[in-house]
Amino acid sequence: GDSVTQMEGPVTLSEEAFLTINCTYTATGYPSLFWYVQYPGEGLQLLLKATKADDKGSNKGFEATYRKETTSFHLEKGSVQVSDSAVYFCALSDKNTDKLIFGTGTRLQVFP
Amino acid sequence: EPEVTQTPSHQVTQMGQEVILRCVPISNHLYFYWYRQILGQKVEFLVSFYNNEISEKSEIFDDQFSVERPDGSNFTLKIRSTKLEDSAMYFCASSEQGSSGANVLTFGAGSRLTVL
Repeated sequence: GDSVTQMEGPVTLSEEAFLTINCTYTATGYPSLFWYVQYPGEGLQLLLKATKADDKGSNKGFEATYRKETTSFHLEKGSVQVSDSAVYFCALSDKNTDKLIFGTGTRLQVFP
Repeated sequence: EPEVTQTPSHQVTQMGQEVILRCVPISNHLYFYWYRQILGQKVEFLVSFYNNEISEKSEIFDDQFSVERPDGSNFTLKIRSTKLEDSAMYFCASSEQGSSGANVLTFGAGSRLTVL
């Protein structure tokens, strides 16, 4: 079945460092891809999405490009801030089903 | 900004007890969901609900689980007789158009269930 694999955390960075969180997926069709973020004590919030190959989702300085050839949707940010500390979840959804399939989440810790 | 609210934030219960987790979805949303995350594992789909009935459920969602929309605002998940392995964070979500394709879900902060 469809699945999502994320890099293990925690990822620990200094402020202004470059961030990459890897995400790869397995799907039989052509899913939509998402990054959700969970700040401490809050719900999962949509960070960005991409619906087809080569689409780039972006929001709050974060970017991810839908790469069909490598089945990847890696999250990047050029300069992280302490306020970016959170858990980041990669997910996919298929047009034929009513569910999101998530990865395990990657905790990001940014220190001043 | 509209949000999904969940209660309780944390519940501790004895094995075999019934638990009800409550959710208030966003008022104009029509599709409702429960997901769960066992500590250190993936966020897993449990069930989706539309038009007062279950539209899809996972193999996790067995006869011990049920969902209900008892009034116009609440959406509940009931676990009839809790087991140790039901210990997890349970997330409620809602959306306007369902989650197929690129439709966006809004999630609550979660209810942590601890079964002793």
